[in-house]
Formats: sequence, structure tokens, C-alpha cells
Amino acid sequence: GENVEQHPSTLSVQEGDSAVIKCTYSDSASNYFPWYKQELGKGPQLIIDIRSNVGEKKDQRIAVTLNKTAKHFSLHITETQPEDSAVYFCAASSQGYGQNFVFGPGTRLSVLP
Amino acid sequence: ETGVTQSPTHLIKTRGQQVTLRCSSQSGHNTVSWYQQALGQGPQFIFQYYREEENGRGNFPPRFSGLQFPNYSSELNVNALELDDSALYLCASSLRADGYTFGSGTRLTVV
Repeated sequence: GENVEQHPSTLSVQEGDSAVIKCTYSDSASNYFPWYKQELGKGPQLIIDIRSNVGEKKDQRIAVTLNKTAKHFSLHITETQPEDSAVYFCAASSQGYGQNFVFGPGTRLSVLP
Repeated sequence: ETGVTQSPTHLIKTRGQQVTLRCSSQSGHNTVSWYQQALGQGPQFIFQYYREEENGRGNFPPRFSGLQFPNYSSELNVNALELDDSALYLCASSLRADGYTFGSGTRLTVV
């Protein structure tokens, strides 16, 4: 089955700097890769996603890149703000019957003012 | 448009007991998935329901069971609770196979 690894487990950056979180997956059939942000006491919130037919996607300060050959994808946050502090999860899934997400273990991002 | 709501928010149960967790999916969403999130870990897939039928299951024992109702709300039932069942249980709904919206979860503590 699918296995998703995520690095680093913790990340501290100064406000205004960029943050990068990297994930690798094992199943070449996976073709949908969402990123979720989870704040304390809340459920995960989708922040950006990418499909396997696209190499990069950007939404304001957030971007995701995908390298299908190497089976890795990354989240890039630019101009970080204190409200970006949270736990970020990457996930992978294949479309179709009974599809489910396999999540990475998470990255705790701290943005220092 | 309402989001995904889960109840209760917190629950304490004794080992061996049974528990039922409830989820109201986002309006119009016909697919519901349940995830277990242990402290400090990513969510793990339990099962998914699509139009009242189980549509896939993760690596969880049969004592984890579920239901989806005609209004697409859902229940997660866990029998014979074990200490390791202590976790945050998340419900997520979707209209398509992606774009899931998660609820805030039910924090279950088994003592």
C-alpha cells in the first residue's frame, strides 16, 4: 500500500521568510496530492492540492510542486506570517472506488515574530 | 453552506465499553470518510461511505463499524473499546472523490 513520508517534523522560521515542507510517496498509482493545515483543536483544512498531470500550482503565498518521476512533492510558503503557525500534513491518494488519503506524519511550523 | 459538524466534541469511555460518534456532512456532500488521528500523528483512514454503502475500508478491525443515513449523515461505532482507541476521530465529507472538508473531530479518551 501507499506510504507517505514527510520532512521536517518541525520547522521554525522568522516572520517574512519562506518555509518548505517535503513529502515522498511510494505508490506510482497515486495521482492526487492535497495539503492540509491543522490548527490546535480543529480538523485539517485543505490549503492547496495538485493532480498528477500538473507540475506546479500556486495560490497567493502558497505553492506546491510535484515530481512524479521522483515521487515527491513539496509545499512552499512565502512571506510567512504568525498565523501560518500550525501543523501541516501532506497526503496522497488515487482516484476511484474506495479512494482514501494516506497522510504523512505532519510538520509543525512555527513562525517567529 | 454549513460545514461538517461532529458530536460530541469530547468523550471519556471505559475500556470494554461501546461508543457512537456522529457526523453531519456538508450540505450536498454524498461521500463521508472517517479517520483516526492519534496524538502527534497524521490521520489514518478507517472507512468511507458513499450513498449509504461502505465504499472502502482501511486497516481497522471489525469492531469499528459505521452507517450512513439517507440524509448523508454518518455514525462511527466502536465496540469493546481499548486504551489504544484513544484518539481524535475525524469525519470528512465530499461530493467528488477529492476536495474533502473535515470536521473538528471528536476527542475520545479510553480509560
